[in-house]
Amino acid sequence: DTAVSQTPKYLVTQMGNDKSIKCEQNLGHDTMYWYKQDSKKFLKIMFSYNNKELIINETVPNRFSPKSPDKAHLNLHINSLELGDSAVYFCASSPNSGSPPRSYEQYFGPGTRLTVT
Amino acid sequence: GEDVEQSLFLSVREGDSSVINCTYTDSSSTYLYWYKQEPGAGLQLLTYIFSNMDMKQDQRLTVLLNKKDKHLSLRIADTQTGDSAIYFCAETFFGNEKLTFGTGTRLTIIP
Repeated sequence: DTAVSQTPKYLVTQMGNDKSIKCEQNLGHDTMYWYKQDSKKFLKIMFSYNNKELIINETVPNRFSPKSPDKAHLNLHINSLELGDSAVYFCASSPNSGSPPRSYEQYFGPGTRLTVT
Repeated sequence: GEDVEQSLFLSVREGDSSVINCTYTDSSSTYLYWYKQEPGAGLQLLTYIFSNMDMKQDQRLTVLLNKKDKHLSLRIADTQTGDSAIYFCAETFFGNEKLTFGTGTRLTIIP
């Protein structure tokens, strides 16, 4: 019973290409997130959607565009890929309803390792 | 601003206790979390603590919070090889959907 799933798990592509990563959660959560983890394991939030509405948009290049067709899905599309985009991208979800702190607890997907050559 | 810092590495002998430290700077933080990331996997929540608590114990895990010094620690008793992972602390406050994560501490167990 996968809670937060991401596809693909590995993605190797060349500079300049456009690629998408998909994320789905079956937890009934209201909020979903995209994080980028670099080679030093630093984790930085990129975007967050609550019920299909963008609520967090950190300083991320315009080449990155999230799309949330429904509250169970949050996809990440990346245009004109660059070497510096190589990282592990994590999707996460949280209830954001009910009582904190459990309502803020985030459940993470297994990650997508993106390698740009 | 929000800035959460951790030591990057910690090595502990199997059977000893591990203490992982975290320093945060946002005084409005209300909820503090510890996450574990095993190799090749996503983050899993281990435990959390309210900022109005000093301590929380959950089996082998003990969380200590010193709000005056903005210092959070995670103690793992009787450390096992399965505890090898990267541990992240994270903070947020009421009404904020965003978790701010620390830099992560890589825990290595020495047999």
